[in-house]
Amino acid sequence: QKEVEQDPGPLSVPEGAIVSLNCTYSNSAFQYFMWYRQYSRKGPELLMYTYSSGNKEDGRFTAQVDKSSKYISLFIRDSQPSDSATYLCAMSAIVGDDKIIFGKGTRLHILP
Amino acid sequence: EAGVTQSPTHLKKTRGPQATLRCSPISGHTSVYWYQQALGLGLQFLLWYDEGEERNRGNFPPRFSGRQFPNYSSELNVNALELEDSALYLCASSLGGGGDSYEQYFGPGTRLTVT
Repeated sequence: QKEVEQDPGPLSVPEGAIVSLNCTYSNSAFQYFMWYRQYSRKGPELLMYTYSSGNKEDGRFTAQVDKSSKYISLFIRDSQPSDSATYLCAMSAIVGDDKIIFGKGTRLHILP
Repeated sequence: EAGVTQSPTHLKKTRGPQATLRCSPISGHTSVYWYQQALGLGLQFLLWYDEGEERNRGNFPPRFSGRQFPNYSSELNVNALELEDSALYLCASSLGGGGDSYEQYFGPGTRLTVT
């Protein structure tokens, strides 16, 4: 079993819809959870990070972590065509002394 | 403020020789990370440098090596190039020092093509 699993998509949704992106993981030591957005021909950019379980909201984006299920989610409300990108989840166990493990990314298309 | 910069943007090499990729971190960042993003494999961690020292290494053969200079810029060397080394190589930087290393800021990448 891979450490981090993420459906590659593509996921196509109409503009204005709520998007749900998910990752599962196997390492119970992971405590830091991140979501990156990567546009075509660009490097990934950090969208959100959370520590341990719970929710975090930033504008139209909400990150959710359920450590008991080893499951994390990113919700995008009122989706826009500019949200079309690849979204990568990432996680690590220890701050400052560990590498980050990335999911393979989900390609998202928002249809105008 | 300038972001992470990488050079060259594209690099075409034949099998065998060495490739050298360069990265300049955000000003004030001391940690530099290298990743390989190959088609279908996602982002794979290669190397992490902090304060001039190698701190961690991913599951890559020794022909992938690098260093970090006193100004915190870094270079990645790939020796004995193989076709499967073709990928986008991404550099990221963070504040380092055991702090917010999960907040990594990525450069645009170097596209390495080996033929």
